[in-house]
Amino acid sequence: AQSVTQLGSHVSVSEGALVLLRCNYSSSVPPYLFWYVQYPNQGLQLLLKYTSAATLVKGINGFEAEFKKSETSFHLTKPSAHMSDAAEYFCAVSGGQAGTALIFGKGTTLSVSS
Amino acid sequence: DGGITQSPKYLFRKEGQNVTLSCEQNLNHDAMYWYRQDPGQGLRLIYYSQIVNDFQKGDIAEGYSVSREKKESFPLTVTSAQKNPTAFYLCASSGRGEWYGYTFGSGTRLTVV
Repeated sequence: AQSVTQLGSHVSVSEGALVLLRCNYSSSVPPYLFWYVQYPNQGLQLLLKYTSAATLVKGINGFEAEFKKSETSFHLTKPSAHMSDAAEYFCAVSGGQAGTALIFGKGTTLSVSS
Repeated sequence: DGGITQSPKYLFRKEGQNVTLSCEQNLNHDAMYWYRQDPGQGLRLIYYSQIVNDFQKGDIAEGYSVSREKKESFPLTVTSAQKNPTAFYLCASSGRGEWYGYTFGSGTRLTVV
């Protein structure tokens, strides 16, 4: 069965520091993996996605993620945090069969202090 | 511009009432989804539809109903059988194929009063 685990429900960094949000997945088939960002009282916005091409995926707003099959991980990073990065981040994995829905992790709230 | 529109943004429901949340998309996407979001629980799938006139239950379908009479529309009804409906509801759509990812609406916050 497909599942996603996001390690750490809350991550705090200083402005300019490295951002690292962790995501581990379980999948019975080669997965498609996604990171989304949500600002308060809004919908989710796609940051980046892995679809079996390059293992290092670059997304919007300076974020990137690396697919590591051996570690079943898809961690999200950004070299230098900005105040505007404060939001909730969700990792998601494809459902494992054609025509099924994405499965989301429980989310990680990122706080950025000045 | 193409996108997904959810309405209303805020909705208040009295005990025992049914309420319907609207979701409309003009992206020509085949698939549409409803998720429920509660603090600390992430997104949980309620229903999804891959084509018109067909839909499948998700993980928490009890107390909810949907219809898909048009490609553009996928309304969600929260029935009186849903005992704890206060939550943030998100609608999403996707072009055919899991690699697409989703486009989300801006959500409806439902509160029981």
